Amino acid sequence: RKEVEQDPGPFNVPEGATVAFNCTYSNSASQSFFWYRQDCRKEPKLLMSVYSSGNEDGRFTAQLNRASQYISLLIRDSKLSDSATYLCVVNTEGYSTLTFGKGTMLLVSP
Amino acid sequence: DGGITQSPKYLFRKEGQNVTLSCEQNLNHDAMYWYRQDPGQGLRLIYYSQIVNDFQKGDIAEGYSVSREKKESFPLTVTSAQKNPTAFYLCASTQFGHLNYGYTFGSGTRLTVV
Repeated sequence: RKEVEQDPGPFNVPEGATVAFNCTYSNSASQSFFWYRQDCRKEPKLLMSVYSSGNEDGRFTAQLNRASQYISLLIRDSKLSDSATYLCVVNTEGYSTLTFGKGTMLLVSP
Repeated sequence: DGGITQSPKYLFRKEGQNVTLSCEQNLNHDAMYWYRQDPGQGLRLIYYSQIVNDFQKGDIAEGYSVSREKKESFPLTVTSAQKNPTAFYLCASTQFGHLNYGYTFGSGTRLTVV
C-alpha cells in the first residue's frame, strides 16, 4: 500500500466551480500535513499547511480526518490560474523526510 | 531575500559524461534534499543531508553522488552509471527537526541526455 495516495485526475472544471481533492495516508504516526501546488515544469510551492481543526485561506479550505486518515482540499470559485497539480505531503514521526503523493491535476476552463 | 538557488536551469549531458547540479541556500537550513521528477510522476528521493559532512541515500541513489562540505551547498553529481538521467531535479531544504514546517524548493534543473 502506498503511503500517500491521491487521485491523479485530471479534474476538469469550469471557472467558478467548486472542486475538492482527497488524499489518504497509511501511517497513523503521521503528524503534520501540507498541500503543495506545482505548476507545469516548475517547482512545488507550499499552498497551505493542514491543521487538525481545519483551516481556510481565501478560497482554499483544508481539512484533516485523523480517524479515517485522509486530508482534503476544497477550492471555491475556481480561477483559470488554479490550474496546476496539487501535491499532498505528509510528515511522519520517525521519518527524516517528507512523503509526497503523486499529485492531482486540476484543469480549470473558461 | 532568502531562498534556494539551483543552477543551471537547463543542462544537456552526453552519454558517458558526469555532470554536477548546483544547489545553494541562504536560509540557514541544516537539512537539504535532492529529488528527481519524471514526466507525470511523483517526486523520488535521491539523497539527503541533515548536517554538514553527512548524507544518506534515498530511494534511488544508484548512479548519483553528493557532498556536503558547507551548510549552504549540496551539489548532486549525475554519473555515467545513471542509465536514464533525463528528468527534472529538485533541491529542497528545511531546518533540521522542523519537517512540520515543510520544505522550501529551488526552481529545479532540467537535465537532458543528448
